[in-house]
Amino acid sequence: DIQMTQSPSSLSVSVGDRVTITCRASQSISRYLSWYQQRPGKAPKLLIYDASSLQTGVPSRFSGSGSGTDFTFSISSLQPEDFATYYCQQSYSNPRTFGGGTKVEIK
Amino acid sequence: QVQLQESGPGLVKPSETLSLSCTVSGDPMRSFYWSWIRQPPGKGLEWIGYIYYSANPNYNPSLNSRVTISLDSSKKQFSLKLTSVTAADTAMYYCAREGFRGVRAFDIWGPGTMVTVSS
Repeated sequence: DIQMTQSPSSLSVSVGDRVTITCRASQSISRYLSWYQQRPGKAPKLLIYDASSLQTGVPSRFSGSGSGTDFTFSISSLQPEDFATYYCQQSYSNPRTFGGGTKVEIK
Repeated sequence: QVQLQESGPGLVKPSETLSLSCTVSGDPMRSFYWSWIRQPPGKGLEWIGYIYYSANPNYNPSLNSRVTISLDSSKKQFSLKLTSVTAADTAMYYCAREGFRGVRAFDIWGPGTMVTVSS
């Protein structure tokens, strides 16, 4: 199985701050990397696919980059509705695997 | 507008079989991969497996011997069976779609259904 390691596991930030989360794969996954947002009590929501492609309807303050084993997810200016947990996920091979999540909390 | 909706018992006894269904509305089922994903309370996400229209399903090896995923396109449903459940199988269970326009990502999710394993 490909292991996905996300960091940090949590961070405290203020509205308007820039947020950066990293995800590392245990082997190369090309660009088959997605990012999801999960608000409490809700299903995950796809934000980014193919490492850097923005899902339709997702605000442009969300972005992703990387390839191979190292990936980065950013929120340029955090909005109140962005406080949530974020997950990376690889679709290079089966089983599909997720990172452990990053909880973004209000400072 | 494609929507997914999970259904099934919220309580299952230890050693019994967990059975869930996911109903797909708004789109044909062919050309997509249909997955089950679970999340224990307070923990992360675990992919259980998927089925592709007219192909064999693919399962997470961690659950392989206990899992069956099937598809009934006439009912626009796909189903999950997990045998010999224990408390460790207590989780929110989601169904999800992958493969829209060839994209390898879960773009549509059901709201989830909570399953508790307890006597």
